[in-house]
Amino acid sequence: AQKVTQAQTEISVVEKEDVTLDCVYETRDTTYYLFWYKQPPSGELVFLIRRNSFDEQNEISGRYSWNFQKSTSSFNFTITASQVVDSAVYFCALRGPSGGSNYKLTFGKGTLLTVNP
Amino acid sequence: EAQVTQNPRYLITVTGKKLTVTCSQNMNHEYMSWYRQDPGLGLRQIYYSMNVEVTDKGDVPEGYKVSRKEKRNFPLILESPSPNQTSLYFCASRRGQGPGELFFGEGSRLTVL
Repeated sequence: AQKVTQAQTEISVVEKEDVTLDCVYETRDTTYYLFWYKQPPSGELVFLIRRNSFDEQNEISGRYSWNFQKSTSSFNFTITASQVVDSAVYFCALRGPSGGSNYKLTFGKGTLLTVNP
Repeated sequence: EAQVTQNPRYLITVTGKKLTVTCSQNMNHEYMSWYRQDPGLGLRQIYYSMNVEVTDKGDVPEGYKVSRKEKRNFPLILESPSPNQTSLYFCASRRGQGPGELFFGEGSRLTVL
């Protein structure tokens, strides 16, 4: 069975601080995909990133960066110089291999990030 | 604009009154799915559809029905809603091949009194 754990239920920071959101996953699949989604107060789910299990390169996109480590089954998300607009619930999610099966995402329970001015 | 559209966005209803939440996508995606989001539980899959006339249960299908008569539409039907179905519902779609992400609708907040 697949499982995603986001141990941090809530994080509160002051604007311009760096913050890291943790994500630990469990799967028996050798091929899998990891995702991060953002859910702002308006409620929609915004796709941030997808990472394949065979690609352990870290990725940076502006103030966002992701650290994927298969050895520790972690896919952590760092926001540098946080801003009030980053306040949201962030979900980490896991999916098994493609091909004829349910493309179900297994979500973590989410981390509520509050960035205070 | 590529999008997944859900209706209604907000609904308050009473126990036992049948309702349907519609979902439509304009991306010609084969795969569609419904999730519900509850505090402290994250998102959980209700039903999914690999293509027209092909549907199957997700993790929490009890109390729900779906149909997929057309590729673009995937309605979620609550035949006899109960208060434990009060939740935020998301419809999602993706193309049928490859590792691409799910595209989510804006969500439908349902309250059953």
